[in-house]
Amino acid sequence: LAKTTQPVSMDSYEGQEVNITCSHNNIATNDYITWYQQFPSQGPRFIIQGYKTKVTNEVASLFIPADRKSSTLSLPRVSLSDTAVYYCLVGDFNAGNMLTFGGGTRLMVKP
Amino acid sequence: EAGVAQSPRYKIIEKRQSVAFWCNPISGHATLYWYQQILGQGPKLLIQFQNNGVVDDSQLPKDRFSAERLKGVDSTLKIQPAKLEDSAVYLCASSVPGLEETQYFGPGTRLLVL
Repeated sequence: LAKTTQPVSMDSYEGQEVNITCSHNNIATNDYITWYQQFPSQGPRFIIQGYKTKVTNEVASLFIPADRKSSTLSLPRVSLSDTAVYYCLVGDFNAGNMLTFGGGTRLMVKP
Repeated sequence: EAGVAQSPRYKIIEKRQSVAFWCNPISGHATLYWYQQILGQGPKLLIQFQNNGVVDDSQLPKDRFSAERLKGVDSTLKIQPAKLEDSAVYLCASSVPGLEETQYFGPGTRLLVL
């Protein structure tokens, strides 16, 4: 499984756009990039998944450059309720790779 | 749609005691997972079931942990005997086969071993 590296923590303010970058230099051809969000005292929640270029849903956008060695989760106009831990995961889940969570990025949104 | 249910939500025991956790996955989800999340860390997969068969239990400490999913629906995770380092949140998740990247997690059971 490709190892991922992401910032331990980030601070932001309400209304700002937040970009969390994840490095995965050893990503394999069949690997997908998946992001989960975990609020305090809750289990993780799937946010978004992508393979290349850009993916957008109602929660976030995921930007993946052509070399796929990194990805950026973008949260538009964050609110206090976006304070959470964000995990970047990489794997070929169709081949039975398990979700392997790292330490994640702790995002603190301030008023 | 009802989510993944877990009970109890909290449990405090003394070391060397036994404890059991229960999970009811989302209806129709054949794949069920148990994770251990130690404070400040990401969840670590302990065991994965598909229906009532074990797919992966390579990270389950089998000398003290056991899990079963007898009828392919509910599952129990047991620790016997518990150690101090077992203090963690135990998360249950479920997914549809073929969509393992999209797992639905329960609220977890917070275990404190004294």
